[in-house]
Amino acid sequence: SQQGEEDPQALSIQEGENATMNCSYKTSINNLQWYRQNSGRGLVHLILIRSNEREKHSGRLRVTLDTSKKSSSLLITASRAADTASYFCATTETSGSRLTFGEGTQLTVNP
Amino acid sequence: DADVTQTPRNRITKTGKRIMLECSQTKGHDRMYWYRQDPGLGLRLIYYSFDVKDINKGEISDGYSVSRQAQAKFSLSLESAIPNQTALYFCATSSRTSSYEQYFGPGTRLTVT
Repeated sequence: SQQGEEDPQALSIQEGENATMNCSYKTSINNLQWYRQNSGRGLVHLILIRSNEREKHSGRLRVTLDTSKKSSSLLITASRAADTASYFCATTETSGSRLTFGEGTQLTVNP
Repeated sequence: DADVTQTPRNRITKTGKRIMLECSQTKGHDRMYWYRQDPGLGLRLIYYSFDVKDINKGEISDGYSVSRQAQAKFSLSLESAIPNQTALYFCATSSRTSSYEQYFGPGTRLTVT
């Protein structure tokens, strides 16, 4: 079964609004990453947060990690139509180096 | 100029046929991976390789095989294609020194009829 579960499955917002996506996982992790996928294309790495970090920023992205709740959130501020894509969280377990992906959140930003 | 390339990009094949998907990378990475993605789902790992002589099964390796011909090349074969192998297939690479971030190819859309 998938390590990560994402919520919501789909999110539709207006340009300029903030978008928040959540990810929950089941086992102890070394780190958690977020990837973006435009329709039918390969995934692009957005940001990585290590298990000893609680928050990380990159441009308009803010990621939080709560290891006690085994959850993470991705916040995209001041969204743009070009942010329309699927967003996936992926975890690396402490016992390995393989990535396990969640099922993704489909974000639609309406102009 | 893509760092990770996949061929073919699209393929339609019939049940029972053997098919090979190829992946090449110019990033100089040691590690390569094959994933499949089904509609509305995340990616599932089929096989991965940490070095030319290293091959490991992933979550869903049944019905698939791989070959790591060189550090830069990693191919995926479907021994006898079946319709439920219709999916989007992605190759990815990562570096031993920064092994957590993976770089993905553009994908191969495979349809088995």
